[in-house]
Amino acid sequence: QQQVKQSPQSLIVQKGGISIINCAYENTAFDYFPWYQQFPGKGPALLIAIRPDVSEKKEGRFTISFNKSAKQFSLHIMDSQPGDSATYFCAASMKSGSNYKLTFGKGTLLTVNP
Amino acid sequence: DGGITQSPKYLFRKEGQNVTLSCEQNLNHDAMYWYRQDPGQGLRLIYYSQIVNDFQKGDIAEGYSVSREKKESFPLTVTSAQKNPTAFYLCASSIGKGRGRNTGELFFGEGSRLTVL
Repeated sequence: QQQVKQSPQSLIVQKGGISIINCAYENTAFDYFPWYQQFPGKGPALLIAIRPDVSEKKEGRFTISFNKSAKQFSLHIMDSQPGDSATYFCAASMKSGSNYKLTFGKGTLLTVNP
Repeated sequence: DGGITQSPKYLFRKEGQNVTLSCEQNLNHDAMYWYRQDPGQGLRLIYYSQIVNDFQKGDIAEGYSVSREKKESFPLTVTSAQKNPTAFYLCASSIGKGRGRNTGELFFGEGSRLTVL
């Protein structure tokens, strides 16, 4: 059972364009929604995150839009740059006992052409 | 610099051999995790540990074993029972329970790529 569905699997965008990656979740117990960025041969790193009490969070060129009723959230990368080329993972977190458990989407490979 | 160190970065193994991947952190984090990454599969949780001398199975624990004898260290052994061990393995840590505003944010190492010949 896949609890976090991510799309598209891959995305090609021209430099300066907008990249949009979508995620949907099923479990309403999730209360924290991070996005991770992974460059080839490296481990993922936290990019931006949101809690369900807000509908949008912006950090520089990166914005998360969150729709609680639809159980969907998305990452928007404005003015996409070749350096943004990476794999992006959405995730959802909830408390599991005394710990937090993260469930990841399957990832989106973003390529930004110069 | 605080962080997570995984070694070796690349490892080759013959079928039937056990191998151990090292993970060390100096972030003073309580919780540590092992994930497996395969193309198009995302990150799948193998084992996690919230405290020294305690660990729990994740979603794909079969064929793997771990130990947590020290707070800083969480080695993963890929045993011969793992049917398809070729993958990229990621170790991560998080601050742990009862410490600050724990969101479960994970800090990852740079990974170990295991290839079975």
